[in-house]
Amino acid sequence: GENVEQHPSTLSVQEGDSAVIKCTYSDSASNYFPWYKQELGKGPQLIIDIRSNVGEKKDQRIAVTLNKTAKHFSLHITETQPEDSAVYFCAASSPGSGNTGKLIFGQGTTLQVKP
Amino acid sequence: GAGVSQTPSNKVTEKGKYVELRCDPISGHTALYWYRQSLGQGPEFLIYFQGTGAADDSGLPNDRFFAVRPEGSVSTLKIQRTERGDSAVYLCASSLNGGLNTGELFFGEGSRLTVL
Repeated sequence: GENVEQHPSTLSVQEGDSAVIKCTYSDSASNYFPWYKQELGKGPQLIIDIRSNVGEKKDQRIAVTLNKTAKHFSLHITETQPEDSAVYFCAASSPGSGNTGKLIFGQGTTLQVKP
Repeated sequence: GAGVSQTPSNKVTEKGKYVELRCDPISGHTALYWYRQSLGQGPEFLIYFQGTGAADDSGLPNDRFFAVRPEGSVSTLKIQRTERGDSAVYLCASSLNGGLNTGELFFGEGSRLTVL
């Protein structure tokens, strides 16, 4: 089945700097790659997603890149702000289980943005 | 509110007891998912409902876990003979249609289960 590895597990940056989180996946048939932000005591919330027919997608300060050949995808946050501090999860669809939309999540990255 | 609602938010029980966790998805969402999140880990898939039927229950860890969605809306996750290792946050999510063309999953805030 699908396996998703996420790095780093923790990331600390100064306000205004950029942050990059990387994920790899194992199933070449995966075609949907969302990123979720989870604040303490809350459920994960989608911040951006990308499908396998696109190499890059940007939404204001957030961008995601996908390298299908290498089975890598990355989240880029520019001009970080203290409110960006949270746990970020990457995920990949698991098509081997049929048409369910089931997602396999990475282990998470705790991002701390220092004012 | 219009989001996914989960109750209870916290549940403390003793080893061996039976537990029910409830999820009320966003109105009109046909797809409903249960995930389990252990401390410091990403959510782990348990089961997926499309309407009333469990389309994929491959993530349920053993036969002590069962979930229902009898009217295609509210879902209940049932855990029998709870064990300490069942302690985790149980997350429910819904989406409009589900499937490989699924869009955003909307997560609830979770039910934190502690088994003593």
